[in-house]
Amino acid sequence: DAMVIQNPRYQVTQFGKPVTLSCSQTLNHNVMYWYQQKSSQAPKLLFHYYDKDFNNEADTPDNFQSRRPNTSFCFLDIRSPGLGDAAMYLCATSRDEKGEETQYFGPGTRLLVL
Amino acid sequence: ELKVEQNPLFLSMQEGKNYTIYCNYSTTSDRLYWYRQDPGKSLESLFVLLSNGAVKQEGRLMASLDTKARLSTLHITAAVHDLSATYFCAVDQGGTSYGKLTFGQGTILTVHP
Repeated sequence: DAMVIQNPRYQVTQFGKPVTLSCSQTLNHNVMYWYQQKSSQAPKLLFHYYDKDFNNEADTPDNFQSRRPNTSFCFLDIRSPGLGDAAMYLCATSRDEKGEETQYFGPGTRLLVL
Repeated sequence: ELKVEQNPLFLSMQEGKNYTIYCNYSTTSDRLYWYRQDPGKSLESLFVLLSNGAVKQEGRLMASLDTKARLSTLHITAAVHDLSATYFCAVDQGGTSYGKLTFGQGTILTVHP
């Protein structure tokens, strides 16, 4: 089945220790998104890639970076995680940027910062 | 800045009853999505509404979009326990930002026997 896969599902890191979350997709979609969802809150868009074009949300902290080495993979790097970065990180894909189809979400990576 | 508001935020229903969740948004958009999220899980797509007057139904759920009123509704008919979840509406920012979604706060639905 075509799908969005995230690894790891759970990640524990120490305060200030860099961490990388990964997302892969077999849908061959052009657009990939990263969302942050804190407990009992709505998902918040951090950034997205349309193909190789990177689009950062204005209020995404510099501590968050992303890489998309090819169509299938996208990474979220948190350079110096703080306690406030503990959250579920959701990767999503869509066929294009026209918004005519839903976004497909991966299962998420739950990040805990100690 | 696009703002999306859902109400109610918490909804406790008896099985068999009907209810409606409302999603209001602040700027023009003709694309709205409904998602379901179970505790600790990811988001599951329910409906994509792409034009004024769009109505879609799946099982006991029906969603509609009124772009002039900037309002979408998610109607639940004869609720069953399996519908217990958090429901999010999300609005496409449109313009040069198609595909960028702003989510409502979510409605936590609990269906009791």
